[in-house]
Amino acid sequence: NAGVMQNPRHLVRRRGQEARLRCSPMKGHSHVYWYRQLPEEGLKFMVYLQKENIIDESGMPKERFSAEFPKEGPSILRIQQVVRGDSAAYFCASSPTQRGGWNEQFFGPGTRLTVL
Amino acid sequence: DAKTTQPTSMDCAEGRAANLPCNHSTISGNEYVYWYRQIHSQGPQYIIHGLKNNETNEMASLIITEDRKSSTLILPHATLRDTAVYYCIVRKETSGSRLTFGEGTQLTVNP
Repeated sequence: NAGVMQNPRHLVRRRGQEARLRCSPMKGHSHVYWYRQLPEEGLKFMVYLQKENIIDESGMPKERFSAEFPKEGPSILRIQQVVRGDSAAYFCASSPTQRGGWNEQFFGPGTRLTVL
Repeated sequence: DAKTTQPTSMDCAEGRAANLPCNHSTISGNEYVYWYRQIHSQGPQYIIHGLKNNETNEMASLIITEDRKSSTLILPHATLRDTAVYYCIVRKETSGSRLTFGEGTQLTVNP
């Protein structure tokens, strides 16, 4: 059973370009979470999605950032008009369908975004 | 979710037990203690979690004090590969699934 997959592992963009980060959850997992880790800082929650639904986006910046988890295919974190401050490691995690309790979140290897 | 306090850094000799403390004095009755770790540049990895009883798995043991205001993660025989940042997280089991990471403890295992 493959783990959480993220691609690309490294992404370089110039200011003003768009960045698309993809996350394929573990097989059978229907919950996806995105976290961001700025340089020399801790991990911060961004958004929690289930298939075709955004459950909690309280950690998402108000502008330029969006996320989706379509019925088919990977989850996508999209950053429009990137700025240097968006340079960070973006981690995706997935968990199986919850049955009244919490399930362990399995993290991917991350995408390191560098904005020039 | 309750706030946690951890030492910024700790050192441990290879082969010895590593004991990582966490204070969570404002923990409420339905909040669990979770531990994750992040090896440099990798995604976080779940280690263990518990409510009030001590827990053990293949990776570590979790000791929670009787008043639940603090806990200790024990790596019984630390190896160089255990060098990582260890995060203690307190949360309700059904609190919307997000994980709130603090600063964690940088554990360095020395040869």
